[in-house]
Amino acid sequence: GAVVSQHPSRVICKSGTSVKIECRSLDFQATTMFWYRQFPKQSLMLMATSNEGSKATYEQGVEKDKFLINHASLTLSTLTVTSAHPEDSSFYICSARDVFTDTQYFGPGTRLTVL
Amino acid sequence: SQQGEEDPQALSIQEGENATMNCSYKTSINNLQWYRQNSGRGLVHLILIRSNEREKHSGRLRVTLDTSKKSSSLLITASRAADTASYFCATDAGNTGKLIFGQGTTLQVKP
Repeated sequence: GAVVSQHPSRVICKSGTSVKIECRSLDFQATTMFWYRQFPKQSLMLMATSNEGSKATYEQGVEKDKFLINHASLTLSTLTVTSAHPEDSSFYICSARDVFTDTQYFGPGTRLTVL
Repeated sequence: SQQGEEDPQALSIQEGENATMNCSYKTSINNLQWYRQNSGRGLVHLILIRSNEREKHSGRLRVTLDTSKKSSSLLITASRAADTASYFCATDAGNTGKLIFGQGTTLQVKP
């Protein structure tokens, strides 16, 4: 299947700092990418839909000023967790949608720990 | 909120046995996708089945879809210890391409 990369794979930061996570679609162009959050032993919760060249669409209850999303190109979307707090600690996973097959391919995830 | 319910939540079998996981959902869909996740890792795409399809195969995997019952099943035949993972179904209702995930089934295959 197609490859989606995420960077960094793991980040530890102090409370109050901002963290940027990159999601890249390596072998196809993705006009739409998605950001998910996963708590331990739970399923994935969709946070937002990242649209190339336009504003992201956030799910209900997700603060858009807290989780800034930029989809500047057809292969790159970034999620910035601003002024991170310990409750933001989680596993963040992105996906990219192949519009020709409707298949979504997922990145390996980023483990964020906020101290 | 999650779209789907998966059953069972946990499944433990011996190597060589078959494993069946079920997924139910609530609204109309364009397609349903099954994923595998090893602990602490990303999701690996297994199979996509469209709403006009009833069954698909990929190697040892067999997926069925019953749109009248709004349910799907994933069968893994001749399981191996390496199949140990969490398995998720996800529904795509179309238009936006958003996937809504079920709660997942944790499969343990004992050698």
